[in-house]
Amino acid sequence: EAGVAQSPRYKIIEKRQSVAFWCNPISGHATLYWYQQILGQGPKLLIQFQNNGVVDDSQLPKDRFSAERLKGVDSTLKIQPAKLEDSAVYLCASSLKRGNTGTQYFGPGTRLLVL
Amino acid sequence: TQLLEQSPQFLSIQEGENLTVYCNSSSVFSSLQWYRQEPGEGPVLLVTVVTGGEVKKLKRLTFQFGDARKDSSLHITAAQPGDTGLYLCASADSWGKLQFGAGTQVVVTP
Repeated sequence: EAGVAQSPRYKIIEKRQSVAFWCNPISGHATLYWYQQILGQGPKLLIQFQNNGVVDDSQLPKDRFSAERLKGVDSTLKIQPAKLEDSAVYLCASSLKRGNTGTQYFGPGTRLLVL
Repeated sequence: TQLLEQSPQFLSIQEGENLTVYCNSSSVFSSLQWYRQEPGEGPVLLVTVVTGGEVKKLKRLTFQFGDARKDSSLHITAAQPGDTGLYLCASADSWGKLQFGAGTQVVVTP
């Protein structure tokens, strides 16, 4: 079974530029998550989708971050404009179902460096 | 928001030694998960503990959940270089939302 796919793996941009990350979850997984992991910290949930609907975006900086999951499969996370403090690894995860019995499977992440 | 404290932050040991890492919270966990994250990869779930006092074993890894469900430990017996990684604990609410600790970086040298 293929895992969670993410691209690109690495991205370097200058502050105030825009960037987008793509995630393809495990086939059949209804729930998709985006996390931000800053160096030296654990992952922090940014947004959670159930199919193509948002169920939790309370920690998403909505003035600059946006995410969508059209058709309930792939998802994109966008930052516009980027700030220096956005330098982090952006992890995508998916689970078969919502709730604490649904194991989350993580992708390898996209490492973003903002100069 | 539940705050999870992990200790130590960093641990470097020789192959064959034992180690223990800890995860603590000021509030009760509904359930607790342990993950290992290797460089350039996402976290991988090792175990979920739910019941106070629970002990789970995964080969050389032993996970304990405190009786009061406010703390947990991960013990590795006879560590191997393949055990190197960032060990993360996370609390999970009933909706599946995870709150992670900062992690313990473990380095096992041959």
